[in-house]
Amino acid sequence: DIQMTQSPSTLSASVGNRVTITCRASQSISSWLAWYQQKPGKAPKLLIYKASSLQTGVPSRFSGSESETEFTLTISGLQPDDVATYYCQQYKSYSRTFGQGTKVEIK
Amino acid sequence: QVQLVQSGAEVENPGASVKVSCKASGYTFSNYVINWVRQAPGQGLEWMGRITPYNGDTKYPQKFQGRVTMTTDTSTTTAYMELRSLTSDDTAVYYCARSDGLYSAFHLWGQGTMVTVSS
Repeated sequence: DIQMTQSPSTLSASVGNRVTITCRASQSISSWLAWYQQKPGKAPKLLIYKASSLQTGVPSRFSGSESETEFTLTISGLQPDDVATYYCQQYKSYSRTFGQGTKVEIK
Repeated sequence: QVQLVQSGAEVENPGASVKVSCKASGYTFSNYVINWVRQAPGQGLEWMGRITPYNGDTKYPQKFQGRVTMTTDTSTTTAYMELRSLTSDDTAVYYCARSDGLYSAFHLWGQGTMVTVSS
């Protein structure tokens, strides 16, 4: 199985700050990577697909980028509504795998 | 509107089976893949497998092979996930999620079904 290593596990930042979450794949997944946001007690919500494509309706402060097997989710200007846990997911192999998650809090 | 609505919470004894349903509406059911993902309390997301409704083709990760069965009923646009030989480790929220095809993220999710395994 392809392993997805996500970091950090938690982060705390001030409103308006730029936030970066990283996900590293154990082998090449091309651009077949998604980012999800999950708020407590809710189902995950798709933010980014194909590494950098913004899902319809998602605020433009969210963006995704890639460099070989390293993928990044950036929130450019953290908002109180962004408090959540974020997961990456690869969908290159038939056995889909998720990162361990990053919990984002407001400082 | 386009949505996936899951069945209600379940409490099961160890060794029993559970069957969770996922009712799709607002789109052509056969055109999309249904995945199942679970999340144990305080833990991350775990993919359990997928089913293609138009031909019933299934894919399960090795961890769940032999213990999970996914089916669909195209007449009622409902997907089902049955998990057998339950243990306390299966206590989790179970989600269904729609993807467009082989190389697709999960664009649409159900609300989740809590399954508690306890004697």
